[in-house]
Amino acid sequence: EAQVTQNPRYLITVTGKKLTVTCSQNMNHEYMSWYRQDPGLGLRQIYYSMNVEVTDKGDVPEGYKVSRKEKRNFPLILESPSPNQTSLYFCASSLAGFTGELFFGEGSRLTVL
Amino acid sequence: SQQGEEDPQALSIQEGENATMNCSYKTSINNLQWYRQNSGRGLVHLILIRSNEREKHSGRLRVTLDTSKKSSSLLITASRAADTASYFCATDVSTGFQKLVFGTGTRLLVSP
Repeated sequence: EAQVTQNPRYLITVTGKKLTVTCSQNMNHEYMSWYRQDPGLGLRQIYYSMNVEVTDKGDVPEGYKVSRKEKRNFPLILESPSPNQTSLYFCASSLAGFTGELFFGEGSRLTVL
Repeated sequence: SQQGEEDPQALSIQEGENATMNCSYKTSINNLQWYRQNSGRGLVHLILIRSNEREKHSGRLRVTLDTSKKSSSLLITASRAADTASYFCATDVSTGFQKLVFGTGTRLLVSP
């Protein structure tokens, strides 16, 4: 089954404790991206990747890092989480570039205390 | 501000009724997409309409696009309780790199 898998789905952590949200897709997509979803603000792109070792900042990259060492994986790293990073995070992948159909993961709800 | 903005923000109807949601955008586009999101879940792609298309159908979904008015509408016919979800439009923008920009969504509640 074609899917994008994120882990963890739910996480409560404290300020400053580094965490990683993993994302893996099994569709051999080149394009992957991370979004955060906040009430009233819709989905905002954090980082994106066009291929292995090619990543770039989206609209709200501050406080986040990513890596793309393998085509299928695109982890999101919060080096020192802060309460304003409390949000619902989505990983997405696409075959036809970032303006084609996006396949989303189920989301990771992160709370930073 | 958002490239795409949906209207209304919330819509409540009875099963069997039709639901219409609208999306307005600001800049020229190549395509516009609609996605559905069940509460707290991932977004699911519903339909893509290109700028040279005026109307597209998929099952009970009908999407129209009016590029002169920079607007699109999503019509769900004969709604079911299972259609309860948030619906988002997404438009492609070119800011040195093409990407999708999502609106803030319409929350649809279909009551049995």
